[in-house]
Amino acid sequence: GQQVMQIPQYQHVQEGEDFTTYCNSSTTLSNIQWYKQRPGGHPVFLIQLVKSGEVKKQKRLTFQFGEAKKNSSLHITATQTTDVGTYFCAGRFRTQGGSEKLVFGKGTKLTVNP
Amino acid sequence: NAGVMQNPRHLVRRRGQEARLRCSPMKGHSHVYWYRQLPEEGLKFMVYLQKENIIDESGMPKERFSAEFPKEGPSILRIQQVVRGDSAAYFCASSPTGVVYGYTFGSGTRLTVV
Repeated sequence: GQQVMQIPQYQHVQEGEDFTTYCNSSTTLSNIQWYKQRPGGHPVFLIQLVKSGEVKKQKRLTFQFGEAKKNSSLHITATQTTDVGTYFCAGRFRTQGGSEKLVFGKGTKLTVNP
Repeated sequence: NAGVMQNPRHLVRRRGQEARLRCSPMKGHSHVYWYRQLPEEGLKFMVYLQKENIIDESGMPKERFSAEFPKEGPSILRIQQVVRGDSAAYFCASSPTGVVYGYTFGSGTRLTVV
C-alpha cells in the first residue's frame, strides 16, 4: 500500500536553532500537505504543495516539494517555544477506484528548550 | 461558523461493550474521513464517506468496525465488542465537495478501553 516515510521521529532543539523534517514516498504524489498537532490537540492544516519543485513560505516556515513529487521538507528558521508540537506530512495518492486518499507520515515531534 | 464537531471528547468503555463516536462536519462539507491515532504514532486512515455512501473503507478492520454518514445527522463510527487495542484517539475530518485542499479536523474522541 501507499506509505509516506517521515524523519526524524523526534527532534530536540535549543530556542533559536533551525529545524527540518523530511518526508519521502516511493510513488509519485498528487500533492503533499503539512499539518501541526500540538500536545493533546488535533492536527491543524498548514499548507498544501502541488507543483513539482514548489517552494512556499509562511513566516519562519519554508515548505518544499521535490522535483519528482516524491519528497518534501519543512524547515523552521530560529525556532521558538510556540513551535513545539508534532509536524506531519500527508501525501495524497490516487486510488485504483479513482478516489484520492491522504496518507500521513508518522510525524516529527519537535521540542524546544527555552 | 462551527468547525468539525466530535463527541464525546473522552469515552471509557469496558472490554466487550460498544463504542459510538459521532462527527458533524463543517457546514457545507459533504466529505467525511475517519483517522485513528495511537500514542506517539501518526494518523491511520480508516474510512472515507459521503452522504449515504462509503467511498473508501480500505483502512477499516474487517470485523467489529463500521461507519455511516446518513442523509440527516452526524457521521457515526461504531466499534462493537471493544478490546484494549482499540484504545486510541479517533479523529474525524471534513472537506467540501470538489475541492482538493487541506482537511479540517475535529478535536477527536479519546477512547479508553478498560
